[in-house]
Amino acid sequence: DGGITQSPKYLFRKEGQNVTLSCEQNLNHDAMYWYRQDPGQGLRLIYYSQIVNDFQKGDIAEGYSVSREKKESFPLTVTSAQKNPTAFYLCASSIEGLRTGELFFGEGSRLTVL
Amino acid sequence: QKEVEQNSGPLSVPEGAIASLNCTYSDRGSQSFFWYRQYSGKSPELIMFIYSNGDKEDGRFTAQLNKASQYVSLLIRDSQPSDSATYLCAVRTGRRALTFGSGTRLQVQP
Repeated sequence: DGGITQSPKYLFRKEGQNVTLSCEQNLNHDAMYWYRQDPGQGLRLIYYSQIVNDFQKGDIAEGYSVSREKKESFPLTVTSAQKNPTAFYLCASSIEGLRTGELFFGEGSRLTVL
Repeated sequence: QKEVEQNSGPLSVPEGAIASLNCTYSDRGSQSFFWYRQYSGKSPELIMFIYSNGDKEDGRFTAQLNKASQYVSLLIRDSQPSDSATYLCAVRTGRRALTFGSGTRLQVQP
């Protein structure tokens, strides 16, 4: 089955620790994205990548880092510099070049800072 | 001004009624518009997309786009309790990633 796999689904972190959220897709999509969602809020863009070895900051990139070494993988590291990291993190992918550019989402990772 | 604005709701409609969800956007260069449904605790799933002025129908769902007014809406006919969810409007401008509104929570009363 083609899709986007995020892991872990739930993660607890102590303050001051870095954590890495995994995102893997087997849809052969060029572009991948990370969004953050806080309770009762919409999605805010953290980082996105339209091609391997290249990525761009979104609206709330501070305190986060990413890499795109393979087309299939786009891991997100939440660093200790992120002041309020407790949130629902969504990874998505899309086919570049299509007029519509719809996003396909993974199931999400819920991060809680203790 | 937010790039994509939605009324947060909740919008409450009785079962069988038409639910009307609205969204406005600020960038006149935006070219593609999406409606996603999100159940509590789950990831968003695509309901419809539209990029031409007018109406686009898919089953019980109709998306309406008016680029002159920078307005996009989603109509849900014969609303069911299973339609109760948050509906997210998203807009694509150029090659940028989608920009999402904050969502409208819909409650369909049995």
